[in-house]
Amino acid sequence: ELQLEQSGAEVKKPGDSLKISCKGSGYSFSSYWIGWVRQMPGKGLELLGIIFPADSDTRSSPSFQGQVTISADKSISTAYLQWSSLKASDTGMYYCARQDGAGYFDLWGQGTLVTVSS
Amino acid sequence: DIQMTQSPYTLSASVGDRVTITCRASQSISRWLAWHQQKPGKAPKLLIYDASTLKSGVPSRFSGSGSGTEFTLTISSLQPDDFATYYCQQYYSYWTFGQGTKVEIK
Repeated sequence: ELQLEQSGAEVKKPGDSLKISCKGSGYSFSSYWIGWVRQMPGKGLELLGIIFPADSDTRSSPSFQGQVTISADKSISTAYLQWSSLKASDTGMYYCARQDGAGYFDLWGQGTLVTVSS
Repeated sequence: DIQMTQSPYTLSASVGDRVTITCRASQSISRWLAWHQQKPGKAPKLLIYDASTLKSGVPSRFSGSGSGTEFTLTISSLQPDDFATYYCQQYYSYWTFGQGTKVEIK
C-alpha cells in the first residue's frame, strides 16, 4: 500500500530543537520528490521546501529559507524536517507529501502536530 | 512568486446543489494546476491534476476546467461527504497553494 507515515505529535518549549520524520512505503522512495507543508491553526497550506531523496537535492521556499532544514535518508526511505531553535510561531500541523514528476502532490502523510509553548 | 487566489472564501450549499469554486493565478500557468480536498482534522487529498484530470477513484461528480490564469472546480451534485475545504495548487513555477475555499452546509 502506498503511504507516507509521519512521526507523532510533539510538544516543545521555545528554543528547543526538533526533528520530525516521514517514512514512505509501497513505492520507490528515492524516485520522487518529497515536500513539507505547514498548516497553522485555522489557516491554509504553505510549502516549506522539497527534497529529492536519491541525491538530497533540496529546494526551499524563499519565505522559509534558513528557518528549517530538510533532509532525507534514502536507505530507510525517510525524509526529515528539522528546527534548531523553535519559536511559538512554529506551532502548527506539518504534512509531508509526495510530488509527482509533473509537480503536483499526489500522496500525503497524516500530519505531525507541533506545539511550541512555554 | 506566482500567487493563487480562490473565490469564494466560504461557500454555503445544500446537498444536491451544483457548486463551483474559482482559482485565479497571478500569471499564466498553462494547465499546471491541481485541486486538493481537506476534511477537518485530516490530511489533504488530491482530487484533480493537470487542471481537469480526475485522480483514479475520485467520484465523477467532481470536474475541473480552465487554463492560463483562470480555473474552476465543479461539484455537479453536492454530497454529504463533500463538505470540506478545497485548495488549488499551481506547479508551473515552483509550487504555491490558494488560500482555500470552505464548503459548508447551508
